[in-house]
Amino acid sequence: GNSVTQMEGPVTLSEEAFLTINCTYTATGYPSLFWYVQYPGEGLQLLLKATKADDKGSNKGFEATYRKETTSFHLEKGSVQVSDSAVYFCALYNQGGKLIFGQGTELSVKP
Amino acid sequence: GAVVSQHPSRVICKSGTSVKIECRSLDFQATTMFWYRQFPKKSLMLMATSNEGSKATYEQGVEKDKFLINHASLTLSTLTVTSAHPEDSSFYICSARDQTLSYEQYFGPGTRLTVT
Repeated sequence: GNSVTQMEGPVTLSEEAFLTINCTYTATGYPSLFWYVQYPGEGLQLLLKATKADDKGSNKGFEATYRKETTSFHLEKGSVQVSDSAVYFCALYNQGGKLIFGQGTELSVKP
Repeated sequence: GAVVSQHPSRVICKSGTSVKIECRSLDFQATTMFWYRQFPKKSLMLMATSNEGSKATYEQGVEKDKFLINHASLTLSTLTVTSAHPEDSSFYICSARDQTLSYEQYFGPGTRLTVT
């Protein structure tokens, strides 16, 4: 079946450090892929998405590229800020019309 | 972007009582809404899919008689936790799918339920 696996957190970085959060998936066909962000005490916000192989989603300095050959959708940011501290969820949209989420990766950025 | 609201944001209820949570799409019509449950430091667990005008589809292991879902209009779905127990305490999040986009889901801010 469909599944999403993310690197375990928490990830702790200093401000302006480079961020990578790994995400790999298992799915039938070529699902749409998403990164969501959840700030403390809030719901989820869509951060970026990619709908086909080699697409690059980007938003607020974050990027992720849909890699079909490695079934990955790693999230990257060149210089993180304290305000980026949150939980990040990788997800795919399956053929049944449902979002399948990874377990979430908590990011903590220290000044 | 599209906005989804939830009400209340926090609720505390006594064991044995029922509590209703509302999910509204404020600026778009949502034929489909989803209800998730999130445990501390865990991912979101899909509880059910709510389709306007028809019965909700529940995920395996979710008790439909305990978690009543109603989707009476294109902008409102409700989740009622009946005869709540402390183990029902959780963060409940809804999402709504814009019927003009096949995959885009917009999430509400969540409702923190505490059962004492």
